[in-house]
Amino acid sequence: KAGVTQTPRYLIKTRGQQVTLSCSPISGHRSVSWYQQTPGQGLQFLFEYFSETQRNKGNFPGRFSGRQFSNSRSEMNVSTLELGDSALYLCASSLEGGDYEQYFGPGTRLTVT
Amino acid sequence: AQKITQTQPGMFVQEKEAVTLDCTYDTSDPSYGLFWYKQPSSGEMIFLIYQGSYDQQNATEGRYSLNFQKARKSANLVISASQLGDSAMYFCAMNLRGTYKYIFGTGTRLKVLA
Repeated sequence: KAGVTQTPRYLIKTRGQQVTLSCSPISGHRSVSWYQQTPGQGLQFLFEYFSETQRNKGNFPGRFSGRQFSNSRSEMNVSTLELGDSALYLCASSLEGGDYEQYFGPGTRLTVT
Repeated sequence: AQKITQTQPGMFVQEKEAVTLDCTYDTSDPSYGLFWYKQPSSGEMIFLIYQGSYDQQNATEGRYSLNFQKARKSANLVISASQLGDSAMYFCAMNLRGTYKYIFGTGTRLKVLA
């Protein structure tokens, strides 16, 4: 079975721009979660989607948004990029979320200049 | 608010020895799940072990076991017979049942010495 894939793997953007990151979960997994990982803040939960519905979100500003498609693929968007948005963005898929273990993708390294 | 605390930023262990990585959690909710993940230098997070709050027995997965002490709100990871490939960051995480929100600790960097 193919693992979780994330595209692109690396991205450099300028302040004020917007960015869209993509995540393809493991086949059969319907839950997708997104995390931001930085050296200072560690791993922080952004949001979780299941069957195209956002079930929960973390404490991030409205500039961070996401969506999930009917094939469970998910995208997250960050508008009006700030320098502090530079981070590794990890996507994780799970059968149904909750108590089911998550399988993580390799991440997208976003650098904002 | 829910919180996960990992007080050991870094640890060393000799190859073939056992090591315990500490994790304490804070929640007033009785229904939750606890997870441990490993993140090697390559960056990809790997699921290791899961413990539900109502599970009577401590979880085990091969060389990994979870020392779950509910009253003390601790969920320590025990790695037996350490191997050089165990060198990585280890994260403890919690999910409150029904919330689909996951909280991670700050991690412990483990270095296995030959």
